[in-house]
Amino acid sequence: EIVLTQSPATLSLSPGERATLSCRASQSVSSYLAWYQQKPGQAPRLLIYDASNRATGIPARFSGSGSGTDFTLTISSLEPEDFAVYHCQQRSNWPRTFGQGTKLEIK
Amino acid sequence: EVQLLESGGGLVQPGGSLRLSCATSGFTFSNYAMSWVRQAPGKGLEWLSFILGGGTGTNYADSVKGRFTISRDNSKNTLYLQMNSLRAEDTAVYHCARGWNNGYFDYWGQGTLVTVSS
Repeated sequence: EIVLTQSPATLSLSPGERATLSCRASQSVSSYLAWYQQKPGQAPRLLIYDASNRATGIPARFSGSGSGTDFTLTISSLEPEDFAVYHCQQRSNWPRTFGQGTKLEIK
Repeated sequence: EVQLLESGGGLVQPGGSLRLSCATSGFTFSNYAMSWVRQAPGKGLEWLSFILGGGTGTNYADSVKGRFTISRDNSKNTLYLQMNSLRAEDTAVYHCARGWNNGYFDYWGQGTLVTVSS
């Protein structure tokens, strides 16, 4: 099973700042990695797929990069609605696995 | 508009059973693989099970294999998860999710809470 490790566990930033979230895989997943955003009491929302492609309707301030084992989600300038939990997920192997999540909180 | 709505959660004793349902609308249900994903309190997301659009192929996480069964009724646009031999560690919010691009999930339900406790 591929283990995804996200860091940091919690990131405290202010609106307007740049956020950089990391996801590291225990073995290569090529570019088969997605990022999801989840707000309290809500369903996860697909943000990025195949490491760097924005899903439909996702603002351009969200970008993804990486391949192999190291991936990054960047939010260029934080908006108030961006404070949430972010999950990474791989589709390279079965079982599909998720990271433990990074909570992005307002500083 | 794509909608997924889970139901069937609740409090159950260890060793008991529950059947979750996921009613869908807004898309051609039979054209899409579906999955169940859960989130235990304070934990990350855990993929549990997958079923192909036609219902012929399934897959399970080791943590639920032999205890949980995924199924679907394409005439009712509904996905199911039969959960048997429930354990305390199965306590979680259970989401159904639409499969997309061979392994991602593009639409999710808000989830139904399952609590396993005596």
